[in-house]
Amino acid sequence: KQEVTQIPAALSVPEGENLVLNCSFTDSAIYNLQWFRQDPGKGLTSLLLIQSSQREQTSGRLNASLDKSSGRSTLYIAASQPGDSATYLCAVNTGNQFYFGTGTSLTVIP
Amino acid sequence: GAVVSQHPSWVICKSGTSVKIECRSLDFQATTMFWYRQFPKQSLMLMATSNEGSKATYEQGVEKDKFLINHASLTLSTLTVTSAHPEDSSFYICSARDPSPTNEKLFFGSGTQLSVL
Repeated sequence: KQEVTQIPAALSVPEGENLVLNCSFTDSAIYNLQWFRQDPGKGLTSLLLIQSSQREQTSGRLNASLDKSSGRSTLYIAASQPGDSATYLCAVNTGNQFYFGTGTSLTVIP
Repeated sequence: GAVVSQHPSWVICKSGTSVKIECRSLDFQATTMFWYRQFPKQSLMLMATSNEGSKATYEQGVEKDKFLINHASLTLSTLTVTSAHPEDSSFYICSARDPSPTNEKLFFGSGTQLSVL
């Protein structure tokens, strides 16, 4: 069974800092990997999707990388802003099911 | 991008009553929708996979008679929490899979906070 882990569980950084969130998964047989953002009491907003054949995807200040063979993905956030404060989740799509990580709670301090 | 609408956003009910939550895909047809439950500060727990025109597939430990799922059309899935009790209080979220064969992207509703008194 696929297991997805996110490290760190919580992160607090000053505004303007660049940061990296980590996602690891146990089975490299994935279809794609998706990063989401969740604000308190809200649903999930899709940030980036990386197909299994891709190495990275970029959207604005966000860059996600995928190393399928080692079972790792990172989400890089450049020049962090207080509005980036949220919980970030990664989800692995095996084709049959989606497996979610435990999330990283990010706080960007003004 | 694709939009998934979930209603209601929050509901408060008395113990013993039933609550229905709707999940609609607004601009695409979703043959598969997923229902999740989320406890505070925890990740999403998949409850069931809703398949249009057929019975839902429930995850182990989820009572199918307690959480009734209906996916009668390609744009609507409903979750009914029957005879709700305080322990059913939770945040429920639905998602739909983009049917594009090259995308396979998940889109989420805004969630429903259920409080059972």
